[in-house]
Amino acid sequence: QQQVKQSPQSLIVQKGGISIINCAYENTAFDYFPWYQQFPGKGPALLIAIRPDVSEKKEGRFTISFNKSAKQFSLHIMDSQPGDSATYFCAASLKGSARQLTFGSGTQLTVLP
Amino acid sequence: GAVVSQHPSWVICKSGTSVKIECRSLDFQATTMFWYRQFPKQSLMLMATSNEGSKATYEQGVEKDKFLINHASLTLSTLTVTSAHPEDSSFYICSARSRVGDTQYFGPGTRLTVL
Repeated sequence: QQQVKQSPQSLIVQKGGISIINCAYENTAFDYFPWYQQFPGKGPALLIAIRPDVSEKKEGRFTISFNKSAKQFSLHIMDSQPGDSATYFCAASLKGSARQLTFGSGTQLTVLP
Repeated sequence: GAVVSQHPSWVICKSGTSVKIECRSLDFQATTMFWYRQFPKQSLMLMATSNEGSKATYEQGVEKDKFLINHASLTLSTLTVTSAHPEDSSFYICSARSRVGDTQYFGPGTRLTVL
């Protein structure tokens, strides 16, 4: 019940295209859903985060869509660029806890020039 | 923005020695710090959660006597890998959460290689 399932495992997109990464969760007590971007040999960096009371959040080229009833959320990267090539992790944390993050398995995104 | 540093960024040690990794929150006070381990092409695995001034809480399967965590101040946590062995070779990443907000900010990671 603590799992967050992420797909696809890898994704190849042409420059200028839209990259879409999906995550699903079981525990309805999760109330905070961040996305992290990680480059090889570096720590994850927060991209964008959402709470269940909002269905969509946009920051620049990055958008989170959240479907509470389906217990799913997704990251959309518009106008994908080669510099976006990285591994992306979705995560979720529980209200009232120490806010430990439960991570998805990661998606390796490659944006072709 | 919130910055978390780690030192060293990489370390090579001989089997049987101990290695200490420092994690610092540079521009905020971190009431809670987390230590993760990451193997190549895998997700982050939470090892332990530490709150300033109290003992760390270890995840199931993580040996607390092997991975010693100290959170002595609101800006510093350390992870000591005791009697390291080659199977301890990994990428260790810390993160910190401030008093306010739910966001975890991650350090750049430490690559440990045990020969």
